[in-house]
Amino acid sequence: ETGVTQSPTHLIKTRGQQVTLRCSSQSGHNTVSWYQQALGQGPQFIFQYYREEENGRGNFPPRFSGLQFPNYSSELNVNALELDDSALYLCASSLAGKNTEAFFGQGTRLTVV
Amino acid sequence: LAKTTQPISMDSYEGQEVNITCSHNNIATNDYITWYQQFPSQGPRFIIQGYKTKVTNEVASLFIPADRKSSTLSLPRVSLSDTAVYYCLVGDGTGTASKLTFGTGTRLQVTL
Repeated sequence: ETGVTQSPTHLIKTRGQQVTLRCSSQSGHNTVSWYQQALGQGPQFIFQYYREEENGRGNFPPRFSGLQFPNYSSELNVNALELDDSALYLCASSLAGKNTEAFFGQGTRLTVV
Repeated sequence: LAKTTQPISMDSYEGQEVNITCSHNNIATNDYITWYQQFPSQGPRFIIQGYKTKVTNEVASLFIPADRKSSTLSLPRVSLSDTAVYYCLVGDGTGTASKLTFGTGTRLQVTL
């Protein structure tokens, strides 16, 4: 049974650029959620995908978008990067109906300069 | 969503038992109490979950009083490797659109 894997682990982008982060879910998990964690803060919910559709969204602007694929892997896309987007981006997979028992990846550290 | 309140930080010596209490006065009937552990630059890790009374696993125990307005995570005989941030969350994970709501957590520092 494989865990949640995210790529890349670190990334540096310039303000205004676009970025795509990737996540492979834990085997058998059909729900994936993305979180943003700023330094010293708890993770903040961005959105969740279930059956390839967005299924809940936090307080993030539309330039944050995502995809879920038939194999349950997922992408997080951020357009028009801002300096405040610098954070650790976490992907979590879970089974629908047991979303409080989520398995997190190690995250992608995004730095916007 | 029920809000949680927990201490910002705690210090302990290696070998001691550590109890972290979380308040959740507005917990709903269908909500579960879940604790996560997070090491620096890693994703949170599920530790334990409970609904009422006491739950124990190989890592920790979770004590929940009858009114469910608080809970206590108990870590027996901590070691240096237990230094981490511990998050208390309450919520009903049964919905397909449920999310985890993290606060700022409790930063536990274990020293020799």
